[in-house]
Amino acid sequence: DTGVSQDPRHKITKRGQNVTFRCDPISEHNRLYWYRQTLGQGPEFLTYFQNEAQLEKSRLLSDRFSAERPKGSFSTLEIQRTEQGDSAMYLCASSFPGVADGYTFGSGTRLTVV
Amino acid sequence: QQQVKQSPQSLIVQKGGISIINCAYENTAFDYFPWYQQFPGKGPALLIAIRPDVSEKKEGRFTISFNKSAKQFSLHIMDSQPGDSATYFCAASMNTGFQKLVFGTGTRLLVSP
Repeated sequence: DTGVSQDPRHKITKRGQNVTFRCDPISEHNRLYWYRQTLGQGPEFLTYFQNEAQLEKSRLLSDRFSAERPKGSFSTLEIQRTEQGDSAMYLCASSFPGVADGYTFGSGTRLTVV
Repeated sequence: QQQVKQSPQSLIVQKGGISIINCAYENTAFDYFPWYQQFPGKGPALLIAIRPDVSEKKEGRFTISFNKSAKQFSLHIMDSQPGDSATYFCAASMNTGFQKLVFGTGTRLLVSP
């Protein structure tokens, strides 16, 4: 499979717990993005990595959120002290530099905070 | 100024008909306008994209029309098929060193057999 892989596909957690999601981008892509999509809305940008460097973070990414991309390969997104408002689909995408058509999304991780 | 407004919210089209979805933007710095198709439980998939130096781009049954002066662009799906039933998102981005997409709110298309 040469697509963007995300794990887990679904996560149900209790309010206040920490959760971590993983994204494996297409191997040749050095750019990696995280987006959040709530029900009935379009995806919203969260953060961007070029190789292992996190170059931009949205204001949507509060202090409870942290993302990493060690060694410029897979990426993790951690949410600490989850709140009900964090319930959403978390999408990862990857791309080649400067090639807009190379922007490929994974199937996402659906988080439900109860 | 970062918003992309999309309409309609939902659309029902008969098989063989033309589906038309419209988007409008404010930020004239946007220079790339893609359309994404999303099926339930899946991530968005790039359908077709256009840059503002052309007014129309066609790929198979899908056409983007772009009106730079009106700051509007639209997706036309010709000969709509039941398999086209999905949610469609327009998006826009500008060259800031990387591609940060601003998405519309989506249009849920149902093509009836």
